[in-house]
Amino acid sequence: AQKVTQAQTEISVVEKEDVTLDCVYETRDTTYYLFWYKQPPSGELVFLIRRNSFDEQNEISGRYSWNFQKSTSSFNFTITASQVVDSAVYFCALSEEGGADGLTFGKGTHLIIQP
Amino acid sequence: GAGVSQSPSNKVTEKGKDVELRCDPISGHTALYWYRQSLGQGLEFLIYFQGNSAPDKSGLPSDRFSAERTGGSVSTLTIQRTQQEDSAVYLCASSLEGLGSYNEQFFGPGTRLTVL
Repeated sequence: AQKVTQAQTEISVVEKEDVTLDCVYETRDTTYYLFWYKQPPSGELVFLIRRNSFDEQNEISGRYSWNFQKSTSSFNFTITASQVVDSAVYFCALSEEGGADGLTFGKGTHLIIQP
Repeated sequence: GAGVSQSPSNKVTEKGKDVELRCDPISGHTALYWYRQSLGQGLEFLIYFQGNSAPDKSGLPSDRFSAERTGGSVSTLTIQRTQQEDSAVYLCASSLEGLGSYNEQFFGPGTRLTVL
């Protein structure tokens, strides 16, 4: 069965610092999809990025970047020059091709950006 | 366009009562999902619909939980004889296609269920 581990329960940094959120996954499938979602204090999960298992190219979107490494089964998320509005709980998730279990989420990392 | 909507936003009930939670997916999305978010268990997948059909119900926590979807649109999650451990936020999501697909799931705001 698939599993997603986000070892960092809570991270607190001062505004403008860079911060990396770790995500390690386990799956037996060769085809799978990885996602990051943001859950701000309002509670609604917001999609940030998806990546399929055949695309290891890193991605940058503004201050956000993602590093996917199959060799270490990791899909880490970096926020550059963090801002207070980045404060939220961030979830990493995994979906297997043809799987019947929906998205498997990690426990989430609570990110606190202090002004 | 409108996102996923859920009702009610909050529900307080007494132990032993039945509750019904509703989800309206994004128009045109064929896949619909239910999840539960609680402090102890994190985000758990409950059930998935492709159209009106739920191919696998094994994610439902107990036989007190049931779900249906009609007309390929609205879905209801019913919990019978509620227990205190059912207290959680119930999230609904929809996507253009189904399980294992590349398409992201769009989440609703959730229904916060409190069982006294």
